[in-house]
Amino acid sequence: QLHLQESDPGLVRPSETLSLTCTVSGGSFRSIRDWWGWVRQPPGKGLEWIGSIHYTGTTYYSPSLASRITISGDTSKNQFSLRLTSVDAADTAIYFCARHAGGLPFYWYLDLWGRGTLVAVTS
Amino acid sequence: QSVLTQPPSASGTPGQRVTLSCSGGRSTIGTSTVTWYQQLPGTAPKVLIHGNNQRPSGVPDRFSGSTSGTSASLAISGLQSEDEAVYYCAIWDAGRYVFGTGTEVSVL
Repeated sequence: QLHLQESDPGLVRPSETLSLTCTVSGGSFRSIRDWWGWVRQPPGKGLEWIGSIHYTGTTYYSPSLASRITISGDTSKNQFSLRLTSVDAADTAIYFCARHAGGLPFYWYLDLWGRGTLVAVTS
Repeated sequence: QSVLTQPPSASGTPGQRVTLSCSGGRSTIGTSTVTWYQQLPGTAPKVLIHGNNQRPSGVPDRFSGSTSGTSASLAISGLQSEDEAVYYCAIWDAGRYVFGTGTEVSVL
């Protein structure tokens, strides 16, 4: 049974860089048909897609965050990661990692999710 | 700001049929497949419907999805107390994955 687990950075100071890692267990990040994504949810608000990666390194990023984010993968560790630079209070959210099933983006749906980790941006 | 608009709330009594809407501008829904997610309090979202109307195994058949033009709908027939949750629609649109604004469903 495939399982996703986000790392827990806890608190991040304003203007610093948020780094998160998602570990894939019970399956392989190196899957030709799967994409892997990050979604966040500010407290009490809706879901926001951040970006997604294929194990080959191809990425899609949210246009509103593209200037600040990097998503990378490590097939040897069965992990993928998110870096978000220059954070501020608006980046405080629960961050989820998830798997995109469906193959092509046109058919994407997020069928497996991590439990999420709350990241608070505070001085 | 999402290109997918959902009413903020909906409600019904146990056993009632409730229909949730998801409206997209610029023919977004007409050019992509729609997914519906259910998010129970304090948990990660769960996919209820993908490919406009495909139900993953394990999802009760009282959940059904449909599309028409630039709108999509999720119907919950035989509403149950455990259906109290927030429901999001989502599509792939112009190089990005977009979630709707979400509808909170209450069971009266």
